[in-house]
Amino acid sequence: AQSVTQLDSHVSVSEGTPVLLRCNYSSSYSPSLFWYVQHPNKGLQLLLKYTSAATLVKGINGFEAEFKKSETSFHLTKPSAHMSDAAEYFCVVSDWVSNFGNEKLTFGTGTRLTIIP
Amino acid sequence: DSGVTQTPKHLITATGQRVTLRCSPRSGDLSVYWYQQSLDQGLQFLIQYYNGEERAKGNILERFSAQQFPDLHSELNLSSLELGDSALYFCASSQDTRLGYTFGSGTRLTVV
Repeated sequence: AQSVTQLDSHVSVSEGTPVLLRCNYSSSYSPSLFWYVQHPNKGLQLLLKYTSAATLVKGINGFEAEFKKSETSFHLTKPSAHMSDAAEYFCVVSDWVSNFGNEKLTFGTGTRLTIIP
Repeated sequence: DSGVTQTPKHLITATGQRVTLRCSPRSGDLSVYWYQQSLDQGLQFLIQYYNGEERAKGNILERFSAQQFPDLHSELNLSSLELGDSALYFCASSQDTRLGYTFGSGTRLTVV
C-alpha cells in the first residue's frame, strides 16, 4: 500500500527567502513521486516528477525536489520565493508496480504556501 | 491549456436535481480519473476508467456514476444532489501513471 504525508499544512516565507515543503512517503516498491501546484480557483499543474532516474529532480518555476530513499522523503525546495508562488502544493505517490491494473495516484493533504511581501 | 477539457466550468443547481459533468482527455491518453475537491474532505479520488472500462473505484457515492465513451471522453453523473455535494470536480487523464496525470481546470458545482 502506498501513502504520503505532507508534514506542514501551512508554510509562510518572506519573498526572496528559500522555500521548503516537506513530504514523506510509504511505498512497497519503487515509487513514482510528483509535486503538483494549485493556484486559487485553478486546476492542478504538474511541477515535477521522479521516476527512478536522477534523485535530484528539477521542475518548473525554479522548484526542485530530492528523492531520498533512506529517509523516504521527497521534499520540495526553491532558493528564492516569489509572490506568484503562493498556492497549494500537493505531494503525490504512485506505486505503479503493486498497483498495476489498478493504477491511481495517492495525494497528500496539501501544504498552503503563503509569501510575505 | 493542459489539453484536458472539462465542461461546464460552473454549475449551480438545486437539491434533488441531477447534473452531468463532461471531460475530454488529452489526445492519446486512455485513462480518465475523476476527483472531488472540497474544503473539508480535500482531494478525493472517485473513479478511474481505462479505454472505456471501469478500472478503479474510490470514495464514490452510489448516487454518482460515470462512464467513458468510445471516443474516450468521460461523463460523471451526479443525482439526487445534496448541499454537501458542492465542490470542485476535476478530471485528469494519463497515458502512464509513472509520468503523472494532466488535470483539467475543473467544474465548480454549487448545490443550493
